[in-house]
Amino acid sequence: DTVLTQSPALAVSPGERVTISCRASESVSTGMHWYQQKPGQQPKLLIYGASNLESGVPARFSGSGSGTDFTLTIDPVEADDTATYFCQQSWNDPRTFGGGTKLELK
Amino acid sequence: EVQLVESGGGLVQPGRSLKLSCAASGFTFSNYYMAWVRQAPKKGLEWVATISTSGSRTYYPDSVKGRFTISRDNAKSSLYLQMNSLKSEDTATYYCARETLYYGPTGYFDYWGQGVMVTVSS
Repeated sequence: DTVLTQSPALAVSPGERVTISCRASESVSTGMHWYQQKPGQQPKLLIYGASNLESGVPARFSGSGSGTDFTLTIDPVEADDTATYFCQQSWNDPRTFGGGTKLELK
Repeated sequence: EVQLVESGGGLVQPGRSLKLSCAASGFTFSNYYMAWVRQAPKKGLEWVATISTSGSRTYYPDSVKGRFTISRDNAKSSLYLQMNSLKSEDTATYYCARETLYYGPTGYFDYWGQGVMVTVSS
């Protein structure tokens, strides 16, 4: 299976720029997608195909990367962005998720 | 507005069965692949099953293959997950999700239900 590795947690101040990384154990081309999950809620799609912003998602969110290294950027970070962010790959079978990065605001 | 509403969760003993349902609305259900994704308490997300638009093709990870069966009724805009031989490690919140394909028969999950809890314990 394709293993996706994310840093467990990050802490940033409102107004700053934050990058959340996801590294795949093998190439997933551009088949990488990002989700936001707030406590007690279901996940929400932010980015699909590595860099495409889902409709209705603020332009503060952006994605980049291809192959094995991917980044989700939030610029500027707002207090409401406190959440856990998951990456997911759909290029290789089975579909797999990263362990999630918990973003905390200082 | 797309809505996905799961039901059927609860407490079940190891080795027993349970069937989850998901009622979909707000989109043409028969045009989309559908999936189940689960999340163990305080853990990450795990894809559980996907079904094609007609229901003719189903996909599972090894962890549930042979025990879980995904199905759909397009006339009722409903998705199901039959779970047999349940184990304690199947304890999780189960989400119904719409899957939009991305280069092939796999994709990303663009809408999610609120989830239903399944607890497997004696």
